[in-house]
Amino acid sequence: EVQLVESGGGLVQPGGSLRLSCAASGFTFSSYAMSWVRQAPGKGLEWVSAISGSGGSTYYADSVKGRFTISRDNSKNTLYLQMNSLRAEDTAVYYCAKAGDGPTAMVTGNYFDYWGQGTLVTVSS
Amino acid sequence: QSALTQPASVSGSPGQSITISCTGTSSDVGGYNYVSWYQQHPGKAPKLMIYDVSNRPSGVSNRFSGSKSGNTASLTISGLQAEDEADYYCSSYTSRPIWVFGGGTKLTVL
Repeated sequence: EVQLVESGGGLVQPGGSLRLSCAASGFTFSSYAMSWVRQAPGKGLEWVSAISGSGGSTYYADSVKGRFTISRDNSKNTLYLQMNSLRAEDTAVYYCAKAGDGPTAMVTGNYFDYWGQGTLVTVSS
Repeated sequence: QSALTQPASVSGSPGQSITISCTGTSSDVGGYNYVSWYQQHPGKAPKLMIYDVSNRPSGVSNRFSGSKSGNTASLTISGLQAEDEADYYCSSYTSRPIWVFGGGTKLTVL
């Protein structure tokens, strides 16, 4: 059974930093691209960042480029999101999501077949 | 990258069919057969309902179906049931290697 468990969320002041983690199990982690998707309170879903299965390629939404860094440790089956220079508008539930099966699954994926339960990040003074 | 356009809300009675539209551009919905749909109940994580425009994952009811014409994709739910009441989001791969989501549609089962 595929499981994705996020951790690391919490309350942080504007300008601060936070590192999110996503522990994966139930599949061959290194064979799949992974993404972070966030949802501000009462709002819709927003894709944040993605990383290929090898970790060699990374992608970012314009809203976080230069402030967030996605990475993965395939030996630990864990995905990370380092968030720096946090702003109030970064307040959201952050989900990790697994790329679905298909020809692009290891590089980018073209859909998300499993999601974690989410971790709440609140940026406020 | 602008969000895909979905109606804010739709409603239907049990047993009826409803369709949710998702309009993008030739750089996303119209350019790739990589449209997916997600169901989200309050306080829960999104759940994949349709991928690659019209494919259903194992375990998803065949009451859910997807299609695409030009720059607009659609999700149809037939035989509406009370448990279908949720928020629905479309998503598309885009010409940049990123994803874009729709603003979400709240489905109310009357």
